[in-house]
Amino acid sequence: EPEVTQTPSHQVTQMGQEVILRCVPISNHLYFYWYRQILGQKVEFLVSFYNNEISEKSEIFDDQFSVERPDGSNFTLKIRSTKLEDSAMYFCASSPRVREAHGYTFGSGTRLTVV
Amino acid sequence: AQSVTQPDIHITVSEGASLELRCNYSYGATPYLFWYVQSPGQGLQLLLKYFSGDTLVQGIKGFEAEFKRSQSSFNLRKPSVHWSDAAEYFCAVVYTMEYGNKLVFGAGTILRVKS
Repeated sequence: EPEVTQTPSHQVTQMGQEVILRCVPISNHLYFYWYRQILGQKVEFLVSFYNNEISEKSEIFDDQFSVERPDGSNFTLKIRSTKLEDSAMYFCASSPRVREAHGYTFGSGTRLTVV
Repeated sequence: AQSVTQPDIHITVSEGASLELRCNYSYGATPYLFWYVQSPGQGLQLLLKYFSGDTLVQGIKGFEAEFKRSQSSFNLRKPSVHWSDAAEYFCAVVYTMEYGNKLVFGAGTILRVKS
């Protein structure tokens, strides 16, 4: 079964540092997403990406966040200057087509710890 | 606005007993609904999903869920719980955007299994 792959599985970074979380979506999917889960809380939508641009973002996704699809396979989330409150599990997801949530698939997550 | 309510924060059941986890959603159109399970520090594992058709949906690990439009509910059930089912369970509804789909998650229910 096709998978969404996320690397690294765990990253520790110092406050104020930039961090890049990486994802390889399923190859024939067109829509890409990032979600965040702060410890003990629910999973929250951050951003969706289609046709090489952001299609929707939540109020959480402020100027310190950016997303990119630098090549044909990777999808990245960059946090410019990390804060303690950015510590969370970050999930990447992809889906094949709009209004087709059948293939919506999450990666296994990257646990980001900001110290 | 789309929302998902999981009224029970914690549930404790005895091993071998039956289980029902409640989920209520708010969504204007026909909902697409998911149940995920998450062990501590781990990713999201899809248990089952409902898109259309038969309102009783079978999933992995012996779980099932029933969609009831009149009650805006999608409750998860298992006839006999195993100790390995102890985890956190999330219900989610798909919100269709112009470009892509966003999952809106409930706050989760933590299941404890006592022997």
